[in-house]
Amino acid sequence: ILNVEQSPQSLHVQEGDSTNFTCSFPSSNFYALHWYRWETAKSPEALFVMTLNGDEKKKGRISATLNTKEGYSYLYIKGSQPEDSATYLCAPLGDSSYKLIFGSGTRLLVRP
Amino acid sequence: GAVVSQHPSWVICKSGTSVKIECRSLDFQATTMFWYRQFPKQSLMLMATSNEGSKATYEQGVEKDKFLINHASLTLSTLTVTSAHPEDSSFYICSASGGTPGTDTQYFGPGTRLTVL
Repeated sequence: ILNVEQSPQSLHVQEGDSTNFTCSFPSSNFYALHWYRWETAKSPEALFVMTLNGDEKKKGRISATLNTKEGYSYLYIKGSQPEDSATYLCAPLGDSSYKLIFGSGTRLLVRP
Repeated sequence: GAVVSQHPSWVICKSGTSVKIECRSLDFQATTMFWYRQFPKQSLMLMATSNEGSKATYEQGVEKDKFLINHASLTLSTLTVTSAHPEDSSFYICSASGGTPGTDTQYFGPGTRLTVL
């Protein structure tokens, strides 16, 4: 079973600040990693699926990098906006079984 | 993106009754659907995986007789909590995928809050 850690647990930033958070997982057992954004009272929204060491993906002001050798992924948000306020979840897979193992998430609050 | 609906969004029931939760993929065919639950201040935990037309695969510690899963079509899966008790009160959420295992996106419903009195 993968042990997934996300840090920090919560983050308060001012509008316009850039921010980043971390997802750590065992490097010895990796197949893919998913990032989701989950706003209160809505469905979790898929952001990225990452598979290759060194992958970097971007969606608007949000980007993510992956280091499978050391077992971490970073999520960056450039110029945070209040609408970015949400919980960001990462979920690595150790194999192709579809079983996402979710971290506890980073809760981001962006103050206007 | 693909849309998954879930119904009901919340339900309150008496202890001993059964509750059915529906998960539908609205604009794509979901070959695989997943059911998760989340206890307060904890992560989403996978309960079971279901493929259309076959029996669900349950995670360790999840009672298959208590949490009945039916995936009768490529757009609908149901989770029935049988003889519900207060300890079954939780947030249940489904997801659906129509593609390659592991690397294809899972699309989530909005979840169902179950309270058992």
